[in-house]
Amino acid sequence: AQKITQTQPGMFVQEKEAVTLDCTYDTSDPSYGLFWYKQPSSGEMIFLIYQGSYDQQNATEGRYSLNFQKARKSANLVISASQLGDSAMYFCAMREFQTGANNLFFGTGTRLTVIP
Amino acid sequence: NAGVMQNPRHLVRRRGQEARLRCSPMKGHSHVYWYRQLPEEGLKFMVYLQKENIIDESGMPKERFSAEFPKEGPSILRIQQVVRGDSAAYFCASSGGAGSYTFGSGTRLTVV
Repeated sequence: AQKITQTQPGMFVQEKEAVTLDCTYDTSDPSYGLFWYKQPSSGEMIFLIYQGSYDQQNATEGRYSLNFQKARKSANLVISASQLGDSAMYFCAMREFQTGANNLFFGTGTRLTVIP
Repeated sequence: NAGVMQNPRHLVRRRGQEARLRCSPMKGHSHVYWYRQLPEEGLKFMVYLQKENIIDESGMPKERFSAEFPKEGPSILRIQQVVRGDSAAYFCASSGGAGSYTFGSGTRLTVV
């Protein structure tokens, strides 16, 4: 089974509007962390936001917020006031802390295009 | 306060040659991870190393691929006798062990 599922291969959003990128995860580990990364066309991986499984509040970082719904196992990324520079691939990832695995599991990504 | 440094940024190899990819972690980080990204896909874990030790190589292909992280110097991902299917972006990430990861800019390997 896929550990991270991103069901939206591509999304379009009008400049200055908000957009939600979906991410669902699958784990039996009670302690885990969820990450979002941005990959612009230049190729680097840029860390955006992190949510721990025990965090009581949804994470926020500037225009990025994470809509964490633990019972639904979803960790959607919300980008507010979209800018042209937000056009990129976005990857959701998870690390499981108790299984002993030290790596991140990535989804297949969502390509976001911001329309002027 | 440099981040994770990977070089070269782009590497072209003919089939059958060897590819050596280098990664210098962030200062103070002793954990290094290598990931591979095939075109239009997410990153897939390959190997996790600490200084002089391979901790987890469950994602490494059984043949032709090896990795090391010596006491001095960068971590090296070595691919021997490259084939067209090895063409991908290879990312290195480092962490200080607390669960946060910093990625390098990647090495784009093209096998011709």
